[in-house]
Amino acid sequence: NAGVTQTPKFRVLKTGQSMTLLCAQDMNHEYMYWYRQDPGMGLRLIHYSVGEGTTAKGEVPDGYNVSRLKKQNFLLGLESAAPSQTSVYFCASSSRTSGRSVETQYFGPGTRLLVL
Amino acid sequence: GESVGLHLPTLSVQEGDNSIINCAYSNSASDYFIWYKQESGKGPQFIIDIRSNMDKRQGQRVTVLLNKTVKHLSLQIAATQPGDSAVYFCAENVSFKAAGNKLTFGGGTRVLVKP
Repeated sequence: NAGVTQTPKFRVLKTGQSMTLLCAQDMNHEYMYWYRQDPGMGLRLIHYSVGEGTTAKGEVPDGYNVSRLKKQNFLLGLESAAPSQTSVYFCASSSRTSGRSVETQYFGPGTRLLVL
Repeated sequence: GESVGLHLPTLSVQEGDNSIINCAYSNSASDYFIWYKQESGKGPQFIIDIRSNMDKRQGQRVTVLLNKTVKHLSLQIAATQPGDSAVYFCAENVSFKAAGNKLTFGGGTRVLVKP
């Protein structure tokens, strides 16, 4: 049981290039999330998904797109990278909640992205 | 807007002493709170959580206290060890009405354990 995994671990892009970050979870979780973490700041939600085939915007969605074609995978895309997107990106997943119950999010190890 | 924040950005503590990390939240509708630990180069790791119908919850060497009157959350680490050196985040959640189990994170507190 690997939990949440992310690829790649590190990437350098030039301004205007595109790339896709892959997140995979083997816990059969319904919900998946993409966050970015900048120095001295907490995590900010980019996009999230409540199930296969569904995605929704988070707090800072501009410049990113996501897809959830399979339940276990959640992809984050940068169509035209900008230096402001230099950050550490974390994926997380959690179980479906029921009623007013809330389930803990489990995080991957992160992807460090540098945009020059 | 609603936010979760921390009072102390850096906390230095002697090995063996107890650590207390504080967090203020402003969303009175939040009903679930989590503490995460993040070591250098790693993703956040769940430590302990508490729901708003509780005011205290204990884990292994950790205790979370919730004071809803003043919207304050704290994490106490007993007998702090070198392995406790990390950044600690509090996060809050409002039980979702539409969809999504979204958390709002605070800025983090760095704990440095001195030998």
